[in-house]
Amino acid sequence: GQQVMQIPQYQHVQEGEDFTTYCNSSTTLSNIQWYKQRPGGHPVFLIQLVKSGEVKKQKRLTFQFGEAKKNSSLHITATQTTDVGTYFCAGLNYGGSQGNLIFGKGTKLSVKP
Amino acid sequence: NAGVTQTPKFQVLKTGQSMTLQCAQDMNHEYMSWYRQDPGMGLRLIHYSVGAGITDQGEVPNGYNVSRSTTEDFPLRLLSAAPSQTSVYFCASSYSQGAQEQFFGPGTRLTVL
Repeated sequence: GQQVMQIPQYQHVQEGEDFTTYCNSSTTLSNIQWYKQRPGGHPVFLIQLVKSGEVKKQKRLTFQFGEAKKNSSLHITATQTTDVGTYFCAGLNYGGSQGNLIFGKGTKLSVKP
Repeated sequence: NAGVTQTPKFQVLKTGQSMTLQCAQDMNHEYMSWYRQDPGMGLRLIHYSVGAGITDQGEVPNGYNVSRSTTEDFPLRLLSAAPSQTSVYFCASSYSQGAQEQFFGPGTRLTVL
């Protein structure tokens, strides 16, 4: 079945360092979404990418969707302690997953002040 | 708007007991879904519904039942609880399946002894 792989599983950074998480799909995706889950909280939607090669920015966060629409990345510049949490990508392949999002296992980010 | 609400927040069951996790949304969303979250496993889809009266199985449906009699409510029933069902359960909703932002409830932390 369709799989969405996400690496790394954990990332520990010093405050001010950059952070990147990568997402790879076994099939071409219709779109990809990114969510953030704070410790003890629930996933919260960050962004959706739809177009091949798309790049979107939200302040210090940069999201990219690969040209082949099979991979994506989230890059955080100059991390802050408020960035702590788990970041999930979720890919949609209408044909492969009955129209449901398939979530990666997430990257847990910790930031040392 | 309350968004997506879930009850209870915490629950402890004994093996073999049954219970219903409640989920409600007040955003008039057609699509609702249930996920379970286990350490290192990400979010796995249990059941979903594309509208009142319509439900279908996700990735890990065994041991769970759902129904959707109204647009607002989407309860998840554990038929005979097993320790393997110890997990955090999230309900989510969106305007339509797949290509829309999903709104997650606060979650129910379930322990089966």
